[in-house]
Amino acid sequence: RKEVEQDPGPFNVPEGATVAFNCTYSNSASQSFFWYRQDCRKEPKLLMSVYSSGNEDGRFTAQLNRASQYISLLIRDSKLSDSATYLCVVKAYNTDKLIFGTGTRLQVFP
Amino acid sequence: DAGVIQSPRHEVTEMGQEVTLRCKPISGHDYLFWYRQTMMRGLELLIYFNNNVPIDDSGMPEDRFSAKMPNASFSTLKIQPSEPRDSAVYFCASSYDSNGEQYFGPGTRLTVT
Repeated sequence: RKEVEQDPGPFNVPEGATVAFNCTYSNSASQSFFWYRQDCRKEPKLLMSVYSSGNEDGRFTAQLNRASQYISLLIRDSKLSDSATYLCVVKAYNTDKLIFGTGTRLQVFP
Repeated sequence: DAGVIQSPRHEVTEMGQEVTLRCKPISGHDYLFWYRQTMMRGLELLIYFNNNVPIDDSGMPEDRFSAKMPNASFSTLKIQPSEPRDSAVYFCASSYDSNGEQYFGPGTRLTVT
């Protein structure tokens, strides 16, 4: 079983739609959680951290469910510029390493 | 700041040749990470350094791969001899600490024929 699992998609949604991605992780000792964004043929960039209480950054909302070991990302009012691959990232306790999921691809169309 | 700098951006080489990838981290960052990304396996950590010291190289595929960080502003990843299955995008990333915010370079796209 992979340490971090994501639905690869693609998710094809119209502009203005709301879309949600989920991600599950296998290591219950995981301590920190993130969403990174990767545009086609570009490097990954940090989108947002995921806090236990959930957090929001503009149109983006991230939530963590430790009991079920999953993380979610909700994007409201999708823009064409949101088209990218979204990587779920987990960091275990007492380690410097990040474990990346293989990503969920989002395509927003006009 | 210029961000993380990697060179070359593209490398095409023949099987058996030596390949050297270079990385300059962001100034002041104490951590440097080397990743490999393929369609099949996604983004995999190969090795990382803290204050120029290799901490974990468990992701290095085999002895053909080696990495060095002679000073705080430079690191290399070497593959010798290269094989077609090494074809991938190799990213270098740096971070100020280990809290999870890593800054990636633009990557080196390696093709081994």
